[in-house]
Amino acid sequence: AQSVTQPDIHITVSEGASLELRCNYSYGATPYLFWYVQSPGQGLQLLLKYFSGDTLVQGIKGFEAEFKRSQSSFNLRKPSVHWSDAAEYFCAVGANSGYALNFGKGTSLLVTP
Amino acid sequence: DTGVSQDPRHKITKRGQNVTFRCDPISEHNRLYWYRQTLGQGPEFLTYFQNEAQLEKSRLLSDRFSAERPKGSFSTLEIQRTEQGDSAMYLCASSPQGPGELFFGEGSRLTVL
Repeated sequence: AQSVTQPDIHITVSEGASLELRCNYSYGATPYLFWYVQSPGQGLQLLLKYFSGDTLVQGIKGFEAEFKRSQSSFNLRKPSVHWSDAAEYFCAVGANSGYALNFGKGTSLLVTP
Repeated sequence: DTGVSQDPRHKITKRGQNVTFRCDPISEHNRLYWYRQTLGQGPEFLTYFQNEAQLEKSRLLSDRFSAERPKGSFSTLEIQRTEQGDSAMYLCASSPQGPGELFFGEGSRLTVL
């Protein structure tokens, strides 16, 4: 069965600093990988996705993620964080043979001045 | 607005009462999903429809829960004899045919007193 682990429950970064959020997945084949963001009172919004091809994917709001098959990881990065990036971030995995996505428990990002 | 809409956004009920949530997906999407999200957790899959057929149900979906999508358009999620443990955000998402991202609504928050 697919599973997703986000090791960091909370992360605090200073505005302007770089960010990396970790995501590890468990799945037998190449999965479909996603990062979603959830701001307070808002629905989940897709940041980026990986299906195949180039292992470095670009998303919205200046985010990128790198798929590393050898490490079963799909870490999210941003070179310079803005105060508006404070939110909950969820990694999710899907499979071609399945339908629904499995989500990690999320990482809460706090941005300090 | 052509996004996923959910109604009501908030519902407070007493233990033992029945509640029903409605989801209107993006019109051209034939797949519809229900998830549940509790505080500090990622979304947990409940059930999935392709058109009007309910194709997958999670073990989380007890006998008190029932979901329908009668004409392959909107869907309802009913919880009978609510319990305090049912308090959560109920998220609806839709997607087009094939693997890919889910488009989420803003959710329906249930509080059971």
